[in-house]
Amino acid sequence: GNSVTQMEGPVTLSEEAFLTINCTYTATGYPSLFWYVQYPGEGLQLLLKATKADDKGSNKGFEATYRKETTSFHLEKGSVQVSDSAVYFCALSDPESGGSYIPTFGRGTSLIVHP
Amino acid sequence: DAGITQSPRHKVTETGTPVTLRCHQTENHRYMYWYRQDPGHGLRLIHYSYGVKDTDKGEVSDGYSVSRSKTEDFLLTLESATSSQTSVYFCAISDTGTGANVLTFGAGSRLTVL
Repeated sequence: GNSVTQMEGPVTLSEEAFLTINCTYTATGYPSLFWYVQYPGEGLQLLLKATKADDKGSNKGFEATYRKETTSFHLEKGSVQVSDSAVYFCALSDPESGGSYIPTFGRGTSLIVHP
Repeated sequence: DAGITQSPRHKVTETGTPVTLRCHQTENHRYMYWYRQDPGHGLRLIHYSYGVKDTDKGEVSDGYSVSRSKTEDFLLTLESATSSQTSVYFCAISDTGTGANVLTFGAGSRLTVL
């Protein structure tokens, strides 16, 4: 079946540091890949997505590149801010999942950014 | 955001009592989902709906039932609440259900079962 594996957190950084959160996946077919972000006390919201190999999704200074050869979709940001403190979820939707596109989520990675 | 609301936002109940959580959308999206979020488990799908009166089970459906009598409402019922169902419950909606299936989430309902 499909699965998403994320690095365990929390990830603790100082403001303006470089961020990488690793995500690898297993899928039957050719999935679409997503990063969602959850700020404290809120629901998840889409941060970025990519639908085919070598696509780069980007939003709010965050980027992730769909790497089919390494089945990865790592999240990066060049300079984090305190306001980026949140939980980040990697996810995929796979058309080969019995015709269902229901997303599979990773366990989430907590990011804490200190001033 | 205003397109999807969950109620109640917080509830404390006792073991053995029935509980119903409501998800209401104003986006006229076809697909609706209920997830639970627990530390160490991330998000797990409970049930989902692909249309009025059309529902199916997710990976953790035992002890839960759902109903969708109108496009805009998706109800999650815990038939007899147990302490293991203490969790934060999220409703989500999507319009296509296919391809790059992007979900929009509600703000969550925190349930405590004593």
